[in-house]
Amino acid sequence: QKEVEQDPGPLSVPEGAIVSLNCTYSNSAFQYFMWYRQYSRKGPELLMYTYSSGNKEDGRFTAQVDKSSKYISLFIRDSQPSDSATYLCAMRKAGTALIFGKGTTLSVSS
Amino acid sequence: EAGVVQSPRYKIIEKKQPVAFWCNPISGHNTLYWYRQNLGQGPELLIRYENEEAVDDSQLPKDRFSAERLKGVDSTLKIQPAELGDSAVYLCASSLDRVMNTEAFFGQGTRLTVV
Repeated sequence: QKEVEQDPGPLSVPEGAIVSLNCTYSNSAFQYFMWYRQYSRKGPELLMYTYSSGNKEDGRFTAQVDKSSKYISLFIRDSQPSDSATYLCAMRKAGTALIFGKGTTLSVSS
Repeated sequence: EAGVVQSPRYKIIEKKQPVAFWCNPISGHNTLYWYRQNLGQGPELLIRYENEEAVDDSQLPKDRFSAERLKGVDSTLKIQPAELGDSAVYLCASSLDRVMNTEAFFGQGTRLTVV
């Protein structure tokens, strides 16, 4: 079993939909949780960074961390065609490198 | 502020040939990472540097891969000899400070094709 599990999709939604992306993990020592967006043939771009449990909102994006369930989510409101990309969850313990999920491919149609 | 710069962007080589990738991290970032991303997968760590010191190279295939970070700034990753299975995107990332637990920023990657 991998430390971080993420459904690769693909996920297809119409423009304006609310998108929910999720990851589960097995290591309770993870404290730092990130979501990266990766466009085709580009490097990952940091979207959201959360420490420990709770919610964080930035514009149309909301990240949630539930450490008791070892479950993190990224919500995208009013999705746009420009949101079409692969979304990678990543997490780590203090002072260590990120461990990534497989990535979920999202397609938003206009 | 310039981001993480990697070169080359693309490289095609024949198997058994050597290849090298170069990374220039964000200015002032002490921590540097090399990741490998296979098609349809998330990035996987190869090596992590704190300044000049390789502090985590447990996933680096040391029989054919080597890395260095001279003067704690730029870094090179080398494969010799390359195998077909090494075809992947090699990503470099940097972060400000391990102790501060700051986020990592990635370069555009080098897409390697071994034929």
